[in-house]
Amino acid sequence: GNSVTQMEGPVTLSEEAFLTINCTYTATGYPSLFWYVQYPGEGLQLLLKATKADDKGSNKGFEATYRKETTSFHLEKGSVQVSDSAVYFCALKGGSNYKLTFGKGTLLTVNP
Amino acid sequence: GAVVSQHPSWVICKSGTSVKIECRSLDFQATTMFWYRQFPKQSLMLMATSNEGSKATYEQGVEKDKFLINHASLTLSTLTVTSAHPEDSSFYICSARDPPGSSYEQYFGPGTRLTVT
Repeated sequence: GNSVTQMEGPVTLSEEAFLTINCTYTATGYPSLFWYVQYPGEGLQLLLKATKADDKGSNKGFEATYRKETTSFHLEKGSVQVSDSAVYFCALKGGSNYKLTFGKGTLLTVNP
Repeated sequence: GAVVSQHPSWVICKSGTSVKIECRSLDFQATTMFWYRQFPKQSLMLMATSNEGSKATYEQGVEKDKFLINHASLTLSTLTVTSAHPEDSSFYICSARDPPGSSYEQYFGPGTRLTVT
């Protein structure tokens, strides 16, 4: 079955530091890949997505590239802000299956 | 953007009682809604898929008689935890999906924290 493994947190960074959150997946076929963000007290929001190999999703300074050869979709941001503090979830949706499979989430805390 | 609400945001109930959680899509019609459960430091686990006007489809291992789902309208789905026990304590999250012909994106509610004493 489908599965998503993402790096365990918590991750604590200083403002303007570089961020990487690793995500690898196992799936049959050609899944779509997603990063969701959950700010404190709020629901999950779609941050970015990629639907095929070598696609790069980007939003709000965050980027992730769909790497089929390494089955990875690592999240990166060049300079984090305090407002980026949240829990980040990597997820996939496999083929004709509309269901989302999530990783465990990574808590990011950015200090001023 | 699309907004999904849940009510209540947190609830405490006694063992053996039932509790109902509502999930509403506020500015769009959702023929399909999903219910997830999240344990501390765990990922979201899909419990069931709720389709308006039909029976919910439950994931393997989820007791349909314990977790009753009703999707009576295009903007409301409810999850009722019947005869709750302490092991049912968890964070329950719903999502609503764009209707057919659109992006099929899921929009998530803020979650409901259930504590059974």
